[in-house]
Amino acid sequence: EAQVTQNPRYLITVTGKKLTVTCSQNMNHEYMSWYRQDPGLGLRQIYYSMNVEVTDKGDVPEGYKVSRKEKRNFPLILESPSPNQTSLYFCASRAQTGDEQFFGPGTRLTVL
Amino acid sequence: RKEVEQDPGPFNVPEGATVAFNCTYSNSASQSFFWYRQDCRKEPKLLMSVYSSGNEDGRFTAQLNRASQYISLLIRDSKLSDSATYLCVVNVRGFQKLVFGTGTRLLVSP
Repeated sequence: EAQVTQNPRYLITVTGKKLTVTCSQNMNHEYMSWYRQDPGLGLRQIYYSMNVEVTDKGDVPEGYKVSRKEKRNFPLILESPSPNQTSLYFCASRAQTGDEQFFGPGTRLTVL
Repeated sequence: RKEVEQDPGPFNVPEGATVAFNCTYSNSASQSFFWYRQDCRKEPKLLMSVYSSGNEDGRFTAQLNRASQYISLLIRDSKLSDSATYLCVVNVRGFQKLVFGTGTRLLVSP
């Protein structure tokens, strides 16, 4: 089944404790992206990657890092999480020539 | 001004009603337009792309008005299962960046 998976789905952590949210897709898509969704603000892009070893900042990259060492994986790293990073996070992928962006099921992160 | 604006709703309609949502975008160079559907706490899923000539998929019709910089979504014969948030999405600066509206919530009641 073609899909985007994220782990963990739910995470409660404390300020300053490094964490990684994994994202993996099995559709051989070139383009992957991370978003955060907050009430009243909609989906905002954090980082995106157009292919392996090619990443770029989105609209709200501060406090986040990403890497794209393999085509299928695009982990999101929070080196020192803070409460304002409490949010619902979505990973997404798309074929280079495709229209549709496929989203993972989301990761609900709470930083205390 | 937001790049993509939508009325947040909620739109409360009875089953069988016809409902329309509009979405405005600020960048006249926008090239691609989409409607996504998002159920509560779930991931967004593509509902339909919006083409210049307009397009229809069953009960759903999407229109693009470049002159006035808005897109619309019309839902006919609303079903209970249509209750969701509908996200307007615009490609603003090349296909690497999609800008999402905050969504319009639709509630269809029996």
